[in-house]
Amino acid sequence: AQSVTQLDSQVPVFEEAPVELRCNYSSSVSVYLFWYVQYPNQGLQLLLKYLSGSTLVKGINGFEAEFNKSQTSFHLRKPSVHISDTAEYFCAVSVWDTGRRALTFGSGTRLQVQP
Amino acid sequence: GAGVSQSPSNKVTEKGKDVELRCDPISGHTALYWYRQSLGQGLEFLIYFQGNSAPDKSGLPSDRFSAERTGGSVSTLTIQRTQQEDSAVYLCASSPTLDTGELFFGEGSRLTVL
Repeated sequence: AQSVTQLDSQVPVFEEAPVELRCNYSSSVSVYLFWYVQYPNQGLQLLLKYLSGSTLVKGINGFEAEFNKSQTSFHLRKPSVHISDTAEYFCAVSVWDTGRRALTFGSGTRLQVQP
Repeated sequence: GAGVSQSPSNKVTEKGKDVELRCDPISGHTALYWYRQSLGQGLEFLIYFQGNSAPDKSGLPSDRFSAERTGGSVSTLTIQRTQQEDSAVYLCASSPTLDTGELFFGEGSRLTVL
């Protein structure tokens, strides 16, 4: 079975500072990796995804993530955050499991951007 | 509409009552998922539909929970004899393909059981 660990439940950061949200996963098979963002009172929307190819993937709103197979990590980064980036961020791993795509989410990291 | 539509957006009910939550996925999406998000928690998988295959119900927390998907499109999640611990946001998501697992989410139905 696969699992996803987001080590930080909350990350406070000042506006225009860089940020890294950590995600580690475990799986015995190959994975696809995702970051989703949830703004207050909204559903989740896809921020970025790693399927194959370059291990550095770029997403919307200036976010990027790097797939590190040896470290089984997929950390999310942004060089300069804005107040509007305040949201909950979920890392997810997708594997093919007994005839279906199984998608497992981490517990989420709340990013709080302060002025 | 272009996105996943869920209704009602908010539902307040009394303990012991039954509730139905509806999800209208993006047209043409074959896969449909239900998740539960409790306050301050991550996403808990409930049930998965794929085409005409038997649904994966492995995440349903009790036999009070059931779901169906009619005509491969609209889905209804039913909670019978609601309990206070059922209070949560119920999220529906659909996916156009099995290939990646990328999901498109609705805005959720917030259920409050008094």
